[in-house]
Amino acid sequence: QKEVEQDPGPLSVPEGAIVSLNCTYSNSAFQYFMWYRQYSRKGPELLMYTYSSGNKEDGRFTAQVDKSSKYISLFIRDSQPSDSATYLCAMSEGAGSYQLTFGKGTKLSVIP
Amino acid sequence: NAGVTQTPKFQVLKTGQSMTLQCAQDMNHEYMSWYRQDPGMGLRLIHYSVGAGITDQGEVPNGYNVSRSTTEDFPLRLLSAAPSQTSVYFCASRSGQGKVTNEKLFFGSGTQLSVL
Repeated sequence: QKEVEQDPGPLSVPEGAIVSLNCTYSNSAFQYFMWYRQYSRKGPELLMYTYSSGNKEDGRFTAQVDKSSKYISLFIRDSQPSDSATYLCAMSEGAGSYQLTFGKGTKLSVIP
Repeated sequence: NAGVTQTPKFQVLKTGQSMTLQCAQDMNHEYMSWYRQDPGMGLRLIHYSVGAGITDQGEVPNGYNVSRSTTEDFPLRLLSAAPSQTSVYFCASRSGQGKVTNEKLFFGSGTQLSVL
């Protein structure tokens, strides 16, 4: 079992839809949770991060972490064609680790 | 402000050839790293450095060498290329030498490498 599982999609939604992206993980030591967005032929860029359990909102984006279920989510409200990209979850143990563990990424297409 | 710059963008090698992938950052970041991205595998850490003269292995270091003589540069060397090294390579940097927390990783735009 991989440490981080993420459905690769592809996921296709109409413009304006609410998008839900998810990752599950097995390492209970993970404390820092991030979402990166990667446009085609570009490097990933940090979109959201959350420490431990809870929610974080930034504009149309909401990140949720449920450590008891080892499950994280990214919600995109009022999705736009410009949101079409691959979304990667990433996690870290924090103190004691220099490494980020990435999910495989979910490819999202928002259709106008 | 260029951020993280990788060269070349594309490269085709024959099995057994050697080459160096270049990475430079102008943000005075202490931490630099190399990842490879393969379909169905996600991003995997190859090597990283927390400062000039300090490097360490990541998840998939075999077949790759690194060195860090300056804060700005972190080249990745393939000594004898193999088809299994066909991948997209990303260099990333962040501020601070500390253990990973929520600090933002800045990625370059990648090098697409094919080994025939």
